[in-house]
Amino acid sequence: QQPVQSPQAVILREGEDAVINCSSSKALYSVHWYRQKHGEAPVFLMILLKGGEQKGHEKISASFNEKKQQSSLYLTASQLSYSGTYFCGTALNTGNQFYFGTGTSLTVIP
Amino acid sequence: DTEVTQTPKHLVMGMTNKKSLKCEQHMGHRAMYWYKQKAKKPPELMFVYSYEKLSINESVPSRFSPECPNSSLLNLHLHALQPEDSALYLCASSQDSWVNNYGYTFGSGTRLTVV
Repeated sequence: QQPVQSPQAVILREGEDAVINCSSSKALYSVHWYRQKHGEAPVFLMILLKGGEQKGHEKISASFNEKKQQSSLYLTASQLSYSGTYFCGTALNTGNQFYFGTGTSLTVIP
Repeated sequence: DTEVTQTPKHLVMGMTNKKSLKCEQHMGHRAMYWYKQKAKKPPELMFVYSYEKLSINESVPSRFSPECPNSSLLNLHLHALQPEDSALYLCASSQDSWVNNYGYTFGSGTRLTVV
């Protein structure tokens, strides 16, 4: 049930772009994205509901392909503050079945 | 107030001790959650409270006992824990347990060490 993220880890230089993918074997109703810095709580970034919409938040945006059961998080012109572990979270139906993905460690270096 | 507050931040307990973790939110959220997170792993759901009633228990051992005294408070009572229970325990809340449409707000967690 747990969605699989790729890549597992990525290192970027400031200003570079990155894409993090989240893939589920089950039909999805919605996808969440969270960022967790070391020793801190996960922070909610955005939610995408089925319908294939794309959302944006400054230089971080995401897409949701309902047919492929996949979501991608796009980080543009990365900043040092983007470093952390990114988790997707997927809801399978309209109940309480919600699973965090395997996680992607992202490190931005000067 | 847009925070979820957890206390204590750190806890060391022996295997025969009884302790409690506390969580509080004043955002009017009607769903509250306990998650357990091991190092470099995603959070794992333990319990869900919806409108102060336990709605999900993810087969958690009875040495963990949740309690929701009111819509703003959530406790996790710990008794006779094992060293493998050492982890970061996260509390979260959302507007509703209809989790698909709302994001979670997480507390900063309690780092638990069982010795």
